[in-house]
Amino acid sequence: GAVVSQHPSWVICKSGTSVKIECRSLDFQATTMFWYRQFPKQSLMLMATSNEGSKATYEQGVEKDKFLINHASLTLSTLTVTSAHPEDSSFYICSASKPRDSFQETQYFGPGTRLLVL
Amino acid sequence: GNSVTQMEGPVTLSEEAFLTINCTYTATGYPSLFWYVQYPGEGLQLLLKATKADDKGSNKGFEATYRKETTSFHLEKGSVQVSDSAVYFCALYNFNKFYFGSGTKLNVKP
Repeated sequence: GAVVSQHPSWVICKSGTSVKIECRSLDFQATTMFWYRQFPKQSLMLMATSNEGSKATYEQGVEKDKFLINHASLTLSTLTVTSAHPEDSSFYICSASKPRDSFQETQYFGPGTRLLVL
Repeated sequence: GNSVTQMEGPVTLSEEAFLTINCTYTATGYPSLFWYVQYPGEGLQLLLKATKADDKGSNKGFEATYRKETTSFHLEKGSVQVSDSAVYFCALYNFNKFYFGSGTKLNVKP
């Protein structure tokens, strides 16, 4: 199989604090991981693509200083929401692709992390 | 640009009913089309996909046909089960990116 986990599954924090979300590929090495964001009743929107050992590539309109992504190993990527505000409240989903999968079409998704900023 | 539109839910059906979840897309070039399913508390799982026009993807009794003339990829199943209750996402993959619909929640009652 290809299992991706996220931690925590949900988090509540105060405005102005930073929150770290982990994404792990449990049984495979992921050369590329992706971070998505989903607002209620809306599509998943790609935020950034991260490759192990290099800087993440952010989508247009996503603040790289706000959403820090670190892909330090082939099984772990982290998303840190810095100085969180209520408008950052959302559902964050990561996915990972295997090295041998061409064109990254095959992505394995984590269960998501729900963030609520008070 | 690239975008996906799918019918709003929730869709509520009785067991053994016929299911259709509509999905239309706009895209440049030649995208691949996907349906993903998300069960409660789990990540999105690939249900089926089609990579070119007129291809039919199928899995677990679900089917969808890539219709380029109508830019559609409707999901169908002839007889749903309670275990099919989940959220279904239509998506297209183009130029190394996924574009997702907003998801349709399906509730199947016994």
